[in-house]
Amino acid sequence: AQTVTQSQPEMSVQEAETVTLSCTYDTSESDYYLFWYKQPPSRQMILVIRQEAYKQQNATENRFSVNFQKAAKSFSLKISDSQLGDAAMYFCAYRSNSGGGADGLTFGKGTHLIIQP
Amino acid sequence: GAGVSQSPRYKVAKRGQDVALRCDPISGHVSLFWYQQALGQGPEFLTYFQNEAQLDKSGLPSDRFFAERPEGSVSTLKIQRTQQEDSAVYLCASSLNQANSPLHFGNGTRLTVT
Repeated sequence: AQTVTQSQPEMSVQEAETVTLSCTYDTSESDYYLFWYKQPPSRQMILVIRQEAYKQQNATENRFSVNFQKAAKSFSLKISDSQLGDAAMYFCAYRSNSGGGADGLTFGKGTHLIIQP
Repeated sequence: GAGVSQSPRYKVAKRGQDVALRCDPISGHVSLFWYQQALGQGPEFLTYFQNEAQLDKSGLPSDRFFAERPEGSVSTLKIQRTQQEDSAVYLCASSLNQANSPLHFGNGTRLTVT
């Protein structure tokens, strides 16, 4: 079974600064996807960024980028130029590619990101 | 609809009551997932449907939990004889039936059992 670990229950950053959220995972599979989701108080899970394990290049989406280290099974999220609207719970998630779409997500426990104005 | 819709948004039940939570997935999405999210935790998998077939129910915590998707669209998660430990947010997600298709989540139903 796969596990996802987020070791930072809470992080705080000044507005406009950069913050990195950590995530490690454990799996015996070689083909999978990794995700970062944002969950604001509205409770809806919003996809922030996705990484395919077979791609060596780190994914980026505007101010969001990841540092994917496959050998170390590490998948951190960097948020540049933090904005007040970035405040939320952030979840790292793993999805196997062996089930052809039948596999759900395995989530970490989340990191609560606070943006200081 | 434009996204995944869940109802009710909030539900308070007395211990021992039965509840039914509804999920309307995005039209055309074959895959549908239910998750349970306890306070301060990440979502945990409950069950998976491909169209009307429930292919995985390994995450359902007890036989009091039952899910159905009879016509391959709307799904209902039913909890019988609710207990306090059932208090959580129940999230529904849908996707196309491809491993690289992202899951689209609803806003969840917050269930409080008193």
